[in-house]
Amino acid sequence: NAGVTQTPKFRVLKTGQSMTLLCAQDMNHEYMYWYRQDPGMGLRLIHYSVGEGTTAKGEVPDGYNVSRLKKQNFLLGLESAAPSQTSVYFCASSTGREGTEAFFGQGTRLTVV
Amino acid sequence: AQTVTQSQPEMSVQEAETVTLSCTYDTSESDYYLFWYKQPPSRQMILVIRQEAYKQQNATENRFSVNFQKAAKSFSLKISDSQLGDAAMYFCAYRTLLYNFNKFYFGSGTKLNVKP
Repeated sequence: NAGVTQTPKFRVLKTGQSMTLLCAQDMNHEYMYWYRQDPGMGLRLIHYSVGEGTTAKGEVPDGYNVSRLKKQNFLLGLESAAPSQTSVYFCASSTGREGTEAFFGQGTRLTVV
Repeated sequence: AQTVTQSQPEMSVQEAETVTLSCTYDTSESDYYLFWYKQPPSRQMILVIRQEAYKQQNATENRFSVNFQKAAKSFSLKISDSQLGDAAMYFCAYRTLLYNFNKFYFGSGTKLNVKP
């Protein structure tokens, strides 16, 4: 059981380049999330999805777009990367059942130079 | 929106001793869930313990226990008999149960050092 898998694990981008982070979960979870982790700021929610075909903004959505065309996949896109987007990105998923925790991927360390 | 505050950026504990990590949160909801996650240097987020707000009994998992004070909106984690493997970042998290707002809010984390 793979759980939540993120691709890639590391990436270096030049300012202005674009990229897509892939997240796949095999637990049939309804909810999926993208967080960024920065020192001293914990995990901040970028975008989330409550089901296939739906997405919603979190607390720091600017500069990112997402899509959830299939229930098991949640993609995070950076159209024009900026140094402020240097961070560690985590994908997570959860069920709709009360009390269940979020399951996390291994994280992607992104550096924008 | 709910906020979660961890006021201790870093703490240290001697091996075999006990340490308590603090967490407070702000909410107007009466029903919710709270979690503690551990993040070792590998970066993987690992669930340590969970607490249902409607339960008065504090959750325990082996050496890990919580002190849940609902009225005070406080949720501290106690680690007994600390081990070198407990060294990690610890995050407190709140899960709202509002319909279609099924989100998790995280604190800024506490880095725990364990001294041999």
